[in-house]
Amino acid sequence: DIVMTQTPLSLSVTPGQPASISCKSSQSLLHVDGETYLYWYLQKPGQSPQLLIYELSSRFSGVPDRISGSGSGTDFTLKISRVEAEDVGVYYCMQGLHLPHTFGPGTKVDIK
Amino acid sequence: EVQLLESGGGLVQPGGSLRLSCAASGFTFSSYAMSWVRQAPGKGLEWVSSLSDSGGSTYYAGSVKGRFSISRDNSKNTLYLQMNSLRAEDTAVYYCAKDSVAARPEYWGQGTLVTVSS
Repeated sequence: DIVMTQTPLSLSVTPGQPASISCKSSQSLLHVDGETYLYWYLQKPGQSPQLLIYELSSRFSGVPDRISGSGSGTDFTLKISRVEAEDVGVYYCMQGLHLPHTFGPGTKVDIK
Repeated sequence: EVQLLESGGGLVQPGGSLRLSCAASGFTFSSYAMSWVRQAPGKGLEWVSSLSDSGGSTYYAGSVKGRFSISRDNSKNTLYLQMNSLRAEDTAVYYCAKDSVAARPEYWGQGTLVTVSS
């Protein structure tokens, strides 16, 4: 199985400041079709997960453009350019290249 | 608006069985693969199983293979997860998810709690 790791595991951010989460996979997530099957989800407190970024860098419907995904191969980053109160929760990366789909351990983001 | 409503969770003894249901609306159910993902209390996310749009292809995590069975009724817009030989480590909130065109979890339901305990 592909192993996903995330750093940091927790992050406290001042509103209006940027935040960055790193995700690494144990093997490349680049498919022969040219897509990189890396996903980012946010689980807000008391809620189910919601999709933020699909296939490395595409924002899902309704996701603000201050949230972006980047990276290649085995190293990926989720960036929030200006953190807002609504961004608190646990962020998970997930690889969708091979089954079983596997998730990172999650990064808990809160507001200072 | 995509809506996914899970039901069927509850308390069951080790070795017991439970069937989860997920009622879907707001999209053409028969056109999308569907998945189950679970989250043990205070833990992260674990993919459990996926099913193709027609129901002809099924996929399982190693931890549940041979014990769980995923199915769907496209006439009822409903996804199922039959869970047999339940273990304490199966205790979790089970989320139903509509997959994207690329067959990865896209929209998630609110989840249903399964507790396996004597």
